[in-house]
Amino acid sequence: GDSVTQMEGPVTLSEEAFLTINCTYTATGYPSLFWYVQYPGEGLQLLLKATKADDKGSNKGFEATYRKETTSFHLEKGSVQVSDSAVYFCALGRTGTASKLTFGTGTRLQVTL
Amino acid sequence: DVKVTQSSRYLVKRTGEKVFLECVQDMDHENMFWYRQDPGLGLRLIYFSYDVKMKEKGDIPEGYSVSREKKERFSLILESASTNQTSMYLCASSETSGGAWEQYFGPGTRLTVT
Repeated sequence: GDSVTQMEGPVTLSEEAFLTINCTYTATGYPSLFWYVQYPGEGLQLLLKATKADDKGSNKGFEATYRKETTSFHLEKGSVQVSDSAVYFCALGRTGTASKLTFGTGTRLQVTL
Repeated sequence: DVKVTQSSRYLVKRTGEKVFLECVQDMDHENMFWYRQDPGLGLRLIYFSYDVKMKEKGDIPEGYSVSREKKERFSLILESASTNQTSMYLCASSETSGGAWEQYFGPGTRLTVT
């Protein structure tokens, strides 16, 4: 079955540091890939998405590229801010599954001054 | 903006009680979902519904049931709450058309069963 594997957290960075959160997936067919973010005390919200191989999703300075050859969708940001402190979830969805998504376990990011 | 609301942010119930968690969305979405979120386990799908009165089991349906009598409302029911159901419960909705299946989430209900 489908699965998503994320790097374990927490990830602790100083402000303005470079961020990478690794995500790899196992799925049949050609899934769409997503990054969701959960700020403290809130529900998840979509950060970015990519629907086919080699697509790059981007939003709020975050980027991720759909790499089919390595089955990966790593999240990157060039310069993190304290306000980026949150839990980040990688997810995949497949056609014909009634919009169901398979989520990774989440990676907590803490950014300090 | 899409809005998904959940009836309570925090709930404390006793073992054996019947618990209702309510979710309402205002964007006329066909699909609605209930997840539970636990540390180290991420989000796990309990049930989802793709239309009024239609439902399908997710990955961990045991001990739960759902009801969808109106398109905008999706209820999660714990028939007899147990301590291992203490968790954060998240509701989400999405439309069927438009590709990429973005899900919109509510703020969550933190349920404690004592």
